[in-house]
Amino acid sequence: EAGVAQSPRYKIIEKRQSVAFWCNPISGHATLYWYQQILGQGPKLLIQFQNNGVVDDSQLPKDRFSAERLKGVDSTLKIQPAKLEDSAVYLCASSTGTGGPLDGYTFGSGTRLTVV
Amino acid sequence: DQQVKQNSPSLSVQEGRISILNCDYTNSMFDYFLWYKKYPAEGPTFLISISSIKDKNEDGRFTVFLNKSAKHLSLHIVPSQPGDSAVYFCAAYNFNKFYFGSGTKLNVKP
Repeated sequence: EAGVAQSPRYKIIEKRQSVAFWCNPISGHATLYWYQQILGQGPKLLIQFQNNGVVDDSQLPKDRFSAERLKGVDSTLKIQPAKLEDSAVYLCASSTGTGGPLDGYTFGSGTRLTVV
Repeated sequence: DQQVKQNSPSLSVQEGRISILNCDYTNSMFDYFLWYKKYPAEGPTFLISISSIKDKNEDGRFTVFLNKSAKHLSLHIVPSQPGDSAVYFCAAYNFNKFYFGSGTKLNVKP
């Protein structure tokens, strides 16, 4: 079974620029998540999709972050404009079912973003 | 508001000995607790879980203990192997959401 694919692996941008990350979940996984992991901290949920609908985006800074999951498969996360404090690893994860604790939760390798 | 805490950023253990990683939480409503393991440049991978109605779950060399009265859980690895060197994240689950601790970096010395 192929894992969760993310690209790019690394990205360096200047503050106020925009950036986009891409995630391809495991085939058949209905639930998709984007997490932000700042150095020295645990992953923090940004947004959760169930198929192509948003389940939870309460911690997404909507003034600069946006995400979509067209057709309930791939997803993109965009930051515009980026700030220095957005430097982090952005992890995508997917799971079967509705995202229960034992629903085959799988993380991608992440995109490391550095904002300078 | 950090609901899950791992107060030890790092731990060093000799190969063959026991590794004990600790985690504290504040919300008594969590349904499940999980441990994830993360190697550099890879995403976290699921290791072991425990339901809130149990106090112990064992899987091979890995055992998770849950003390609900103390709101504390721990992961025991026996015997520790150099390949266990990684960052270990504790996570708690309720209402369709996971809450992660900040991780403990385990170094198992040969």
